[in-house]
Amino acid sequence: RKEVEQDPGPFNVPEGATVAFNCTYSNSASQSFFWYRQDCRKEPKLLMSVYSSGNEDGRFTAQLNRASQYISLLIRDSKLSDSATYLCVVNQRGSQGNLIFGKGTKLSVKP
Amino acid sequence: EAGVTQFPSHSVIEKGQTVTLRCDPISGHDNLYWYRRVMGKEIKFLLHFVKESKQDESGMPNNRFLAERTGGTYSTLKVQPAELEDSGVYFCASSQQMVENEQFFGPGTRLTVL
Repeated sequence: RKEVEQDPGPFNVPEGATVAFNCTYSNSASQSFFWYRQDCRKEPKLLMSVYSSGNEDGRFTAQLNRASQYISLLIRDSKLSDSATYLCVVNQRGSQGNLIFGKGTKLSVKP
Repeated sequence: EAGVTQFPSHSVIEKGQTVTLRCDPISGHDNLYWYRRVMGKEIKFLLHFVKESKQDESGMPNNRFLAERTGGTYSTLKVQPAELEDSGVYFCASSQQMVENEQFFGPGTRLTVL
């Protein structure tokens, strides 16, 4: 079983749509959680950290359910510029910062 | 402020040859990480330096891979001899002192072994 699992997509949505991505992680020792964004042939960039209480940054909302070992990302009012691959990433307690990546979910926002 | 830089951006070599990848982290970042993405797979951790010391190299695939970080500044990752399965994109990332700080990634080196 993979340590971090995501639906690879692609998710094809029209501009203005709301889209949600889910992610599950297998190791209950996971301590920190992130969503990274990766544009085609570019490096991953941190989109947002995910906190137990849930957190929001503009049109983006992240949720964490430790009991179910489940992370989500909600994007409201999708823009063309949101088209990218979204990577679910975890960091295990005591791992010294080594990040564990999911394969990513591809989003394509159409006009 | 300059971000993480990597050199070369692309490298095409033949099986059995040697390749050295270089990473320059953001100035002042003690933590330096190497990751790799093989086609069709997720990005995977290779190793972690704190300054010039290897903190964790549990992700290194085998002894054909050698990483160094001279003086705690830039890092090199040498593959010798290269095999076909080494093809992929090699990312370097750096972060400030605390390991839970955001990791900033370089643009990657795309390695193709023929």
